[in-house]
Amino acid sequence: AQSVTQLGSHVSVSEGALVLLRCNYSSSVPPYLFWYVQYPNQGLQLLLKYTTGATLVKGINGFEAEFKKSETSFHLTKPSAHMSDAAEYFCAVSPGLSGGYNKLIFGAGTRLAVHP
Amino acid sequence: EAGVAQSPRYKIIEKRQSVAFWCNPISGHATLYWYQQILGQGPKLLIQFQNNGVVDDSQLPKDRFSAERLKGVDSTLKIQPAKLEDSAVYLCASSFERGGRNEQFFGPGTRLTVL
Repeated sequence: AQSVTQLGSHVSVSEGALVLLRCNYSSSVPPYLFWYVQYPNQGLQLLLKYTTGATLVKGINGFEAEFKKSETSFHLTKPSAHMSDAAEYFCAVSPGLSGGYNKLIFGAGTRLAVHP
Repeated sequence: EAGVAQSPRYKIIEKRQSVAFWCNPISGHATLYWYQQILGQGPKLLIQFQNNGVVDDSQLPKDRFSAERLKGVDSTLKIQPAKLEDSAVYLCASSFERGGRNEQFFGPGTRLTVL
């Protein structure tokens, strides 16, 4: 069975500071990994994804994440936070090549607050 | 291109009443998903369609929830009768194919409050 753990339900940073949102997963097969962002009263939007290949993945809005198999982690980072980054962020895993279906398992989410 | 459309955006009902949600996926997307997002939690898959067939409904409470996608395009999700614990945001998503690498595109959701 697959699962996702996001450490820290709330993260607060200053504008211009580093953003680090943590995600650890468990999977019995090589996973595909995703980060989604959800702004208030909106649906989820894909930030970035790892499927195969390069383990450092760059996404939209200056975010990136690194797949570390040995640590079963896929942490999301951004060098300099902007006020517009305030939102809820979800890490998700799907079965990858062994799974025929695109079933996403989501973490509980991390709410990012950015203050001046 | 137009995104995933959902209606209504908000719904308030009394417990034991019935409610239905509608979703129109992105044109050409064969796979459609319904998720339940309870406050403070991540979305949980309720049901997944490939065209008009169900490929995963393992987490759908079938005694009260039902969903259909008769023509392989739009879909409805129904709850009958509703319970207090059904209060949540119901998200619809679609993807071009069912493979794990394919991005899912989400609609804005329907926020259901059961009183």
